[in-house]
Amino acid sequence: GAVVSQHPSWVICKSGTSVKIECRSLDFQATTMFWYRQFPKQSLMLMATSNEGSKATYEQGVEKDKFLINHASLTLSTLTVTSAHPEDSSFYICSVPYNEQFFGPGTRLTVL
Amino acid sequence: KQEVTQIPAALSVPEGENLVLNCSFTDSAIYNLQWFRQDPGKGLTSLLLIQSSQREQTSGRLNASLDKSSGRSTLYIAASQPGDSATYLCAAANDYKLSFGAGTTVTVRA
Repeated sequence: GAVVSQHPSWVICKSGTSVKIECRSLDFQATTMFWYRQFPKQSLMLMATSNEGSKATYEQGVEKDKFLINHASLTLSTLTVTSAHPEDSSFYICSVPYNEQFFGPGTRLTVL
Repeated sequence: KQEVTQIPAALSVPEGENLVLNCSFTDSAIYNLQWFRQDPGKGLTSLLLIQSSQREQTSGRLNASLDKSSGRSTLYIAASQPGDSATYLCAAANDYKLSFGAGTTVTVRA
């Protein structure tokens, strides 16, 4: 199966700053990656589909100008939370589809 | 839109008891269904994947069944152990997009 890494594993930032989260497919070239968000005690919700060479596709209700996605290469997708606010505090996790979905370890974002 | 429901939301059993976790989904046109385990504050560990053409999958003490026509999947964990304590998530795949249930939080008491 695919091995997926995320960086950083956790980050604390001040309100109003931007935070970049990286998702890497270590052993597989991924034209598509998915970004999910999980609030405490809730399930994972798909935010967007990251597409290599084209714009990301966002799910309904997800602000594309706030959550910037860049699929820089076949092994790297980045999610930038711009002008972060406390309500953006969440667990962000990416996945790579390779027959099944392989998930990264997640990034815990806390916005003060 | 795919809706996934998991029942029960929480389950507490003594060690050694068998566990039955239920998952239902509204759109039967799934590509596959996956069961995951999530420990507190951690990412997801894939447990079992059932393709849409399959009826069940087994791995060790875990067995998952799939009835696509009725929109149901069940995860069975035999002879539970305290180390099985975690949240179990099922996810239905439509066109590679996963829709997750809210999970069943399992506590196995020693």
